[in-house]
Amino acid sequence: AIRMTQSPSSFSASIGDRVTITCRASQDISSYLAWYQQKPGKAPKLLIYAASTLQSGVPLRFSGSGSGTDFTLTISCLQSEDFATYYCQQYYSNPSFGPGTKVDIK
Amino acid sequence: QVQLQESGPGLVKPSETLSLTCNVSGGSISSYYWSWIRQPAGEGLEWIGRIYSSGSTNYNPSLKSRVTMSVDTSKNQFSLKLSSVTAADTAVYYCAREESGSASYYSRVGYWGQGTLVTVSS
Repeated sequence: AIRMTQSPSSFSASIGDRVTITCRASQDISSYLAWYQQKPGKAPKLLIYAASTLQSGVPLRFSGSGSGTDFTLTISCLQSEDFATYYCQQYYSNPSFGPGTKVDIK
Repeated sequence: QVQLQESGPGLVKPSETLSLTCNVSGGSISSYYWSWIRQPAGEGLEWIGRIYSSGSTNYNPSLKSRVTMSVDTSKNQFSLKLSSVTAADTAVYYCAREESGSASYYSRVGYWGQGTLVTVSS
């Protein structure tokens, strides 16, 4: 099974900050990686797939990069609605998710 | 706009079988993979498995011995059964749809239900 890790597990940021979350796969997953945003009590929402393709309707301040085993999600200018938990997911083989990164207000 | 809605008992006794159904509206269940994903309170997401509209399935190896999924295209719904449940199976269960167009055998999840909490307790 492919294990996904994320760093950091949580951090505090301010509106307007540029933030980066890292995701690592235990083996090469090419670009078969998605990022999701989840707010409390809600289902996850797809942000990015194929490592860097923005899902329709997702603001351009979100971007993804990476391939192989190392990936990043960047929010260029953090907005109030971006405070949430972010998960990466590999779909190269039996899907698995990272443990999540919680972004809260500083 | 595709919408998914989970339904089923919110409380299941230990050793019994958890049964959930997902009703799909706003689109056909045909030609897509439909997944179940769960999330224990305060924890991360776990992929349980998926079923294609034709009935073919893929399950998480860690749960495979206890999972059965089925699909009813006439009712536009699919179902999950998880047998021999324990407290560790207490979680919010989401039904979801994989998006098509991935070069991989699997794909990202584009649509999610709102989730339903299932508690395993006597």
